[in-house]
Amino acid sequence: NAGVTQTPKFRILKIGQSMTLQCTQDMNHNYMYWYRQDPGMGLKLIYYSVGAGITDKGEVPNGYNVSRSTTEDFPLRLELAAPSQTSVYFCASRKQGARMNTEAFFGQGTRLTVV
Amino acid sequence: DQQVKQNSPSLSVQEGRISILNCDYTNSMFDYFLWYKKYPAEGPTFLISISSIKDKNEDGRFTVFLNKSAKHLSLHIVPSQPGDSAVYFCAASGGGSQGNLIFGKGTKLSVKP
Repeated sequence: NAGVTQTPKFRILKIGQSMTLQCTQDMNHNYMYWYRQDPGMGLKLIYYSVGAGITDKGEVPNGYNVSRSTTEDFPLRLELAAPSQTSVYFCASRKQGARMNTEAFFGQGTRLTVV
Repeated sequence: DQQVKQNSPSLSVQEGRISILNCDYTNSMFDYFLWYKKYPAEGPTFLISISSIKDKNEDGRFTVFLNKSAKHLSLHIVPSQPGDSAVYFCAASGGGSQGNLIFGKGTKLSVKP
């Protein structure tokens, strides 16, 4: 059971470069999320998606973009990397609906350093 | 403004004793609460949850208590084991969060042999 898979695990970017963090899940979950975790802080929501073709901003969306063309994939795009985007990024998915509460499953994370 | 608060950044407990991790929330419309455990260099893993219609949920050594009037929940681990040493995150869902999970900052638990 693969669950939620994130690639790459580590990446060093130079200021101004761009990259895409990949996330895929094989559980047919409708909800998918991108969080970032900074040292000593909790998980902050960047973007989320309630299904293919539907995305919305979370708490800290600036500097990022997402797309959700399929149920399985939810890539996160950084267009102009800045040092403030140095963080650990987690993708998660969840089966969610009216009157249904479930846990979210997380990927292993991507550690990104912008220098 | 933090909707989910874990006011203790760290907790140290002796092996075999009880660990109690606390979490407070401000949104009275939250209807589902979860605890996650996170080891270094790994993603968070789900531990236990509780619906707002209950005040207690138990799973082996782990019990979560919910006090809705106080907007407070706690995670009890009995007995604590060295392998429980990790960061524990409290999360909440519902109440206009659009199905999103709102996380606290986490509490680092150290269980000493």
